[in-house]
Amino acid sequence: QKEVEQDPGPLSVPEGAIVSLNCTYSNSAFQYFMWYRQYSRKGPELLMYTYSSGNKEDGRFTAQVDKSSKYISLFIRDSQPSDSATYLCAMSDFNTDKLIFGTGTRLQVFP
Amino acid sequence: GAVVSQHPSWVICKSGTSVKIECRSLDFQATTMFWYRQFPKQSLMLMATSNEGSKATYEQGVEKDKFLINHASLTLSTLTVTSAHPEDSSFYICSARLPEKLFFGSGTQLSVL
Repeated sequence: QKEVEQDPGPLSVPEGAIVSLNCTYSNSAFQYFMWYRQYSRKGPELLMYTYSSGNKEDGRFTAQVDKSSKYISLFIRDSQPSDSATYLCAMSDFNTDKLIFGTGTRLQVFP
Repeated sequence: GAVVSQHPSWVICKSGTSVKIECRSLDFQATTMFWYRQFPKQSLMLMATSNEGSKATYEQGVEKDKFLINHASLTLSTLTVTSAHPEDSSFYICSARLPEKLFFGSGTQLSVL
């Protein structure tokens, strides 16, 4: 079993839709959770960062962490074609510099 | 946010040559940088951890003699792919960590002919 599981998609939605992206993990030691957006042939861009259970909102993006279920989500409201990219979840514990990444979910928002 | 600059963004080379990729932290000092490799439609694979002033730590299965890492200053780490072969063709990305957050360079697409 992988430490972090993420559906690779692709996920195709119409413009304006609410998008839900999810990851599950198996290591209960993970404390830091991040979401990255990666456009084709570009480095990942940090979107959201959280270290506690609950919701964190930033503009159209909401990150949700449920440590009891080992489940994290990223919601995108009013999705735009420019949101079309691959979204990677990543997480780590207190004791290591290393991030463990999900495989990434490819999202396509069509006009 | 913190900026990590990576250069070059694209390189094409002949088989057997060596290629150097630079990674710089522009507005902060990074004692630790990371090098990743990414194949098409796959996630990031950590290759090695670059530590300023000491030897890099390589992940299992990564050849240290093939992928030479030098972290000579607090703002610069380099990855040299030695005697590159077509199977080394990939997207290489560096990153640097601020407390609890990891910032990435723009990546380098290496194509070995």
